[in-house]
Amino acid sequence: GAVVSQHPSRVICKSGTSVKIECRSLDFQATTMFWYRQFPKQSLMLMATSNEGSKATYEQGVEKDKFLINHASLTLSTLTVTSAHPEDSSFYICSARDRRGVYNEQFFGPGTRLTVL
Amino acid sequence: QQQVKQSPQSLIVQKGGISIINCAYENTAFDYFPWYQQFPGKGPALLIAIRPDVSEKKEGRFTISFNKSAKQFSLHIMDSQPGDSATYFCAASKDTGRRALTFGSGTRLQVQP
Repeated sequence: GAVVSQHPSRVICKSGTSVKIECRSLDFQATTMFWYRQFPKQSLMLMATSNEGSKATYEQGVEKDKFLINHASLTLSTLTVTSAHPEDSSFYICSARDRRGVYNEQFFGPGTRLTVL
Repeated sequence: QQQVKQSPQSLIVQKGGISIINCAYENTAFDYFPWYQQFPGKGPALLIAIRPDVSEKKEGRFTISFNKSAKQFSLHIMDSQPGDSATYFCAASKDTGRRALTFGSGTRLQVQP
Protein backbone atom coordinates (compact mmCIF):
# COMPACT_ATOMS: atom_id res chain seq x y z
CA GLY A 1 0.00 0.00 0.00
CA ALA A 2 0.80 3.73 0.05
CA VAL A 3 2.15 3.94 -3.48
CA VAL A 4 2.66 7.24 -5.23
CA SER A 5 3.53 7.40 -8.90
CA GLN A 6 4.92 10.20 -11.02
CA HIS A 7 4.90 10.61 -14.74
CA PRO A 8 7.09 11.12 -16.63
CA SER A 9 10.18 9.86 -14.83
CA ARG A 10 12.44 11.84 -17.13
CA VAL A 11 11.79 14.68 -19.52
CA ILE A 12 14.06 16.71 -21.74
CA CYS A 13 12.63 19.83 -23.30
CA LYS A 14 13.73 22.91 -25.14
CA SER A 15 13.93 26.27 -23.43
CA GLY A 16 10.62 28.12 -23.56
CA THR A 17 8.38 25.08 -23.62
CA SER A 18 6.03 23.95 -20.87
CA VAL A 19 6.22 20.61 -19.11
CA LYS A 20 3.51 18.88 -17.09
CA ILE A 21 4.34 16.40 -14.33
CA GLU A 22 1.65 14.16 -12.86
CA CYS A 23 1.56 12.82 -9.33
CA ARG A 24 -0.90 10.07 -8.45
CA SER A 25 -1.71 8.25 -5.24
CA LEU A 26 -2.47 4.73 -6.46
CA ASP A 27 -4.03 3.03 -3.47
CA PHE A 28 -5.20 5.80 -1.22
CA GLN A 29 -6.89 9.16 -1.36
CA ALA A 30 -4.73 12.16 -0.65
CA THR A 31 -6.23 15.26 0.88
CA THR A 32 -2.92 17.02 0.50
CA MET A 33 -0.04 16.66 -1.91
CA PHE A 34 3.26 18.43 -1.72
CA TRP A 35 5.72 19.34 -4.44
CA TYR A 36 9.46 19.44 -3.80
CA ARG A 37 12.51 20.31 -5.78
CA GLN A 38 15.87 18.69 -5.17
CA PHE A 39 19.24 19.71 -6.56
CA PRO A 40 22.12 17.20 -6.70
CA LYS A 41 23.41 16.20 -3.29
CA GLN A 42 21.04 18.58 -1.56
CA SER A 43 17.97 18.27 0.55
CA LEU A 44 14.38 18.55 -0.56
CA MET A 45 13.03 22.04 -0.91
CA LEU A 46 9.29 22.43 -0.51
CA MET A 47 7.78 24.36 -3.41
CA ALA A 48 4.08 24.23 -2.71
CA THR A 49 1.25 22.51 -0.92
CA SER A 50 -1.72 21.36 -2.92
CA ASN A 51 -5.16 20.57 -1.53
CA GLU A 52 -7.89 18.95 -3.56
CA GLY A 53 -10.28 21.49 -4.97
CA SER A 54 -8.48 24.58 -3.74
CA LYS A 55 -5.61 26.80 -4.77
CA ALA A 56 -2.11 25.69 -3.98
CA THR A 57 -0.06 27.39 -1.30
CA TYR A 58 3.37 28.37 -2.55
CA GLU A 59 6.51 28.76 -0.49
CA GLN A 60 8.24 32.09 -0.39
CA GLY A 61 10.34 32.65 -3.48
CA VAL A 62 8.48 30.15 -5.66
CA GLU A 63 6.82 31.79 -8.66
CA LYS A 64 3.23 30.60 -8.79
CA ASP A 65 2.82 31.71 -12.40
CA LYS A 66 5.82 29.66 -13.42
CA PHE A 67 4.99 26.53 -11.44
CA LEU A 68 1.29 25.89 -11.93
CA ILE A 69 -0.24 23.33 -9.63
CA ASN A 70 -3.61 21.69 -10.05
CA HIS A 71 -5.10 19.19 -7.61
CA ALA A 72 -8.21 18.12 -9.47
CA SER A 73 -9.01 14.98 -7.51
CA LEU A 74 -8.08 13.13 -4.35
CA THR A 75 -5.62 11.00 -6.32
CA LEU A 76 -4.06 13.38 -8.82
CA SER A 77 -2.01 16.55 -8.65
CA THR A 78 -0.13 18.10 -11.54
CA LEU A 79 2.80 20.49 -11.69
CA THR A 80 3.29 22.45 -14.89
CA VAL A 81 6.58 24.22 -15.39
CA THR A 82 5.74 27.01 -17.80
CA SER A 83 8.26 28.55 -20.20
CA ALA A 84 10.98 26.34 -18.81
CA HIS A 85 14.57 27.55 -18.80
CA PRO A 86 17.84 25.73 -18.06
CA GLU A 87 17.80 26.94 -14.45
CA ASP A 88 14.55 25.01 -13.97
CA SER A 89 16.42 21.76 -14.58
CA SER A 90 16.08 19.75 -11.40
CA PHE A 91 14.61 16.67 -9.76
CA TYR A 92 10.96 17.26 -8.92
CA ILE A 93 9.33 15.03 -6.33
CA CYS A 94 5.79 14.92 -5.04
CA SER A 95 4.45 13.48 -1.81
CA ALA A 96 0.95 12.61 -0.74
CA ARG A 97 -0.69 12.38 2.63
CA ASP A 98 -3.28 9.66 3.18
CA ARG A 99 -6.56 11.26 4.23
CA ARG A 100 -7.19 8.33 6.54
CA GLY A 101 -3.75 8.52 8.10
CA VAL A 102 -3.65 8.86 11.85
CA TYR A 103 -0.42 10.80 11.76
CA ASN A 104 1.29 12.83 9.11
CA GLU A 105 2.66 9.94 7.06
CA GLN A 106 3.65 11.27 3.70
CA PHE A 107 4.60 9.01 0.84
CA PHE A 108 6.84 10.15 -1.95
CA GLY A 109 6.76 9.52 -5.64
CA PRO A 110 9.83 8.30 -7.53
CA GLY A 111 10.61 11.77 -8.84
CA THR A 112 10.83 13.39 -12.27
CA ARG A 113 14.15 14.45 -13.71
CA LEU A 114 13.65 17.60 -15.79
CA THR A 115 16.38 18.75 -18.14
CA VAL A 116 15.85 21.99 -20.03
CA LEU A 117 18.17 22.52 -22.97
CA GLN B 1 16.24 29.75 9.02
CA GLN B 2 17.17 26.09 9.13
CA GLN B 3 14.73 24.56 11.53
CA VAL B 4 16.10 21.01 11.44
CA LYS B 5 19.85 20.52 11.69
CA GLN B 6 21.25 17.12 10.71
CA SER B 7 24.66 15.61 11.30
CA PRO B 8 26.96 14.19 10.18
CA GLN B 9 26.92 15.17 6.53
CA SER B 10 28.49 11.85 5.62
CA LEU B 11 29.18 8.63 7.44
CA ILE B 12 31.22 5.54 6.69
CA VAL B 13 30.46 2.40 8.68
CA GLN B 14 31.75 -1.12 8.44
CA LYS B 15 29.32 -3.92 7.70
CA GLY B 16 27.69 -5.09 10.90
CA GLY B 17 28.34 -1.83 12.70
CA ILE B 18 25.91 0.72 14.07
CA SER B 19 25.12 3.84 12.06
CA ILE B 20 23.98 6.85 14.07
CA ILE B 21 22.54 10.01 12.55
CA ASN B 22 21.46 12.96 14.66
CA CYS B 23 18.98 15.75 14.20
CA ALA B 24 18.03 18.78 16.24
CA TYR B 25 14.99 20.94 15.78
CA GLU B 26 14.07 24.42 16.88
CA ASN B 27 10.32 24.68 16.53
CA THR B 28 8.67 23.32 19.67
CA ALA B 29 5.38 23.06 17.78
CA PHE B 30 6.75 20.12 15.78
CA ASP B 31 5.16 16.88 16.89
CA TYR B 32 5.90 14.39 14.14
CA PHE B 33 9.43 13.25 13.29
CA PRO B 34 9.98 10.85 10.36
CA TRP B 35 13.13 9.51 8.80
CA TYR B 36 13.42 8.93 5.07
CA GLN B 37 15.85 6.86 3.04
CA GLN B 38 16.72 7.93 -0.48
CA PHE B 39 18.70 6.08 -3.12
CA PRO B 40 20.23 7.98 -6.06
CA GLY B 41 17.66 8.98 -8.64
CA LYS B 42 14.74 7.79 -6.50
CA GLY B 43 12.18 9.42 -4.28
CA PRO B 44 12.54 9.27 -0.48
CA ALA B 45 11.01 6.27 1.25
CA LEU B 46 9.53 6.52 4.73
CA LEU B 47 11.60 4.41 7.12
CA ILE B 48 10.27 5.07 10.57
CA ALA B 49 8.62 7.92 12.45
CA ILE B 50 8.04 8.97 16.01
CA ARG B 51 5.83 11.30 17.99
CA PRO B 52 7.05 13.12 21.12
CA ASP B 53 4.92 11.06 23.49
CA VAL B 54 7.49 8.23 23.32
CA SER B 55 11.26 8.32 23.72
CA GLU B 56 12.13 5.42 21.48
CA LYS B 57 10.65 3.45 18.61
CA LYS B 58 12.12 0.38 17.01
CA GLU B 59 11.28 -1.27 13.72
CA GLY B 60 13.57 -4.09 12.74
CA ARG B 61 17.13 -2.80 12.57
CA PHE B 62 16.02 0.84 12.72
CA THR B 63 15.51 2.71 15.98
CA ILE B 64 14.56 6.32 16.62
CA SER B 65 15.59 7.87 19.92
CA PHE B 66 13.80 11.05 20.88
CA ASN B 67 14.77 13.61 23.53
CA LYS B 68 12.04 16.19 23.85
CA SER B 69 13.80 18.39 26.39
CA ALA B 70 16.90 18.64 24.22
CA LYS B 71 14.85 18.90 21.03
CA GLN B 72 16.92 16.17 19.46
CA PHE B 73 16.22 12.87 17.78
CA SER B 74 18.42 10.29 16.19
CA LEU B 75 18.31 7.28 13.91
CA HIS B 76 20.24 4.15 14.81
CA ILE B 77 20.78 1.48 12.16
CA MET B 78 21.88 -1.74 13.80
CA ASP B 79 23.89 -4.38 11.94
CA SER B 80 24.43 -1.99 9.03
CA GLN B 81 24.57 -3.63 5.61
CA PRO B 82 25.98 -2.48 2.26
CA GLY B 83 22.39 -2.27 1.02
CA ASP B 84 21.76 0.44 3.61
CA SER B 85 24.14 2.74 1.72
CA ALA B 86 21.93 5.69 0.85
CA THR B 87 21.14 9.24 1.89
CA TYR B 88 19.05 9.59 5.02
CA PHE B 89 16.92 12.60 5.80
CA CYS B 90 15.29 13.48 9.06
CA ALA B 91 12.22 15.67 8.98
CA ALA B 92 9.75 17.30 11.30
CA SER B 93 6.27 18.70 11.05
CA LYS B 94 3.25 19.74 13.01
CA ASP B 95 0.56 17.08 13.01
CA THR B 96 -2.14 19.66 12.40
CA GLY B 97 -2.72 22.35 9.83
CA ARG B 98 -0.76 22.22 6.62
CA ARG B 99 1.59 19.50 7.90
CA ALA B 100 4.44 20.45 5.59
CA LEU B 101 7.64 18.55 6.33
CA THR B 102 10.81 20.45 7.16
CA PHE B 103 13.79 18.36 6.12
CA GLY B 104 17.28 18.13 7.49
CA SER B 105 20.21 18.51 5.13
CA GLY B 106 20.76 14.77 4.71
CA THR B 107 23.43 12.24 5.63
CA ARG B 108 25.16 10.13 3.03
CA LEU B 109 25.78 6.73 4.56
CA GLN B 110 28.28 4.32 3.10
CA VAL B 111 28.46 0.84 4.56
CA GLN B 112 31.67 -0.89 3.61
CA PRO B 113 31.67 -4.67 3.14
